[in-house]
Amino acid sequence: DIQMTQSPSSLSASVGDRVTITCRASQSISTYLNWYQQKPGKAPKLLIFAASTLQSGVPSRFSGSGSGTDFTLTISSLQPEDFATYYCQQTYSTPRTFGQGTKLEIK
Amino acid sequence: EVQLVESGGGLVKPGGSLRLSCEASGFSFSSYSMNWVRQAPGKGLEWVSYISGSSGYIFYSDSVKGRFTITRDNARDSLYLQMNSLRAEDTAVYYCARDANTGSFDFWGQGTLVTVSS
Repeated sequence: DIQMTQSPSSLSASVGDRVTITCRASQSISTYLNWYQQKPGKAPKLLIFAASTLQSGVPSRFSGSGSGTDFTLTISSLQPEDFATYYCQQTYSTPRTFGQGTKLEIK
Repeated sequence: EVQLVESGGGLVKPGGSLRLSCEASGFSFSSYSMNWVRQAPGKGLEWVSYISGSSGYIFYSDSVKGRFTITRDNARDSLYLQMNSLRAEDTAVYYCARDANTGSFDFWGQGTLVTVSS
């Protein structure tokens, strides 16, 4: 199974900050990497697919990059509604594993 | 508008069974593969199972293989998860999620809570 490791596990930041979350795969997954945002009590929401493609309707302050084993999610200027937990997921092979999550909190 | 609505969750004793349903609307259900994903209380997301549009391809996580069965009824626009031999560690919110052509999960239901406890 491919293991996905996110860092950091939690992060405190302020509105307006630029934030980067990293995700590392235990083996190469090309660009079969997705990012999701989840708020408490809600279902996850797809932000980015294929490592760098923004899902329709997602603000352009979100961006993704990477290929192979190392990936990043960047939020260019944090907004109040961005405080949530973020998950990466590989869909290169089954099982389609998720990272453990990064909780983004208000400083 | 794409909608996925899960139902069937509840409290069940260890060793018991439960059948979850996910009713889809707003898209051509048979054209999409579907997934079940679960989230234990306070924990992260865990992919559970996948079924292709025609049910020709089915996959399970090792943690549920042999105990859970995923099926779909395209005439009813519905996805199912039959869960047998339930364990305490199966306690979670279960989400159905549409598999986009990109391989990502582009739409999710609101989830249904399964609690396995004596």
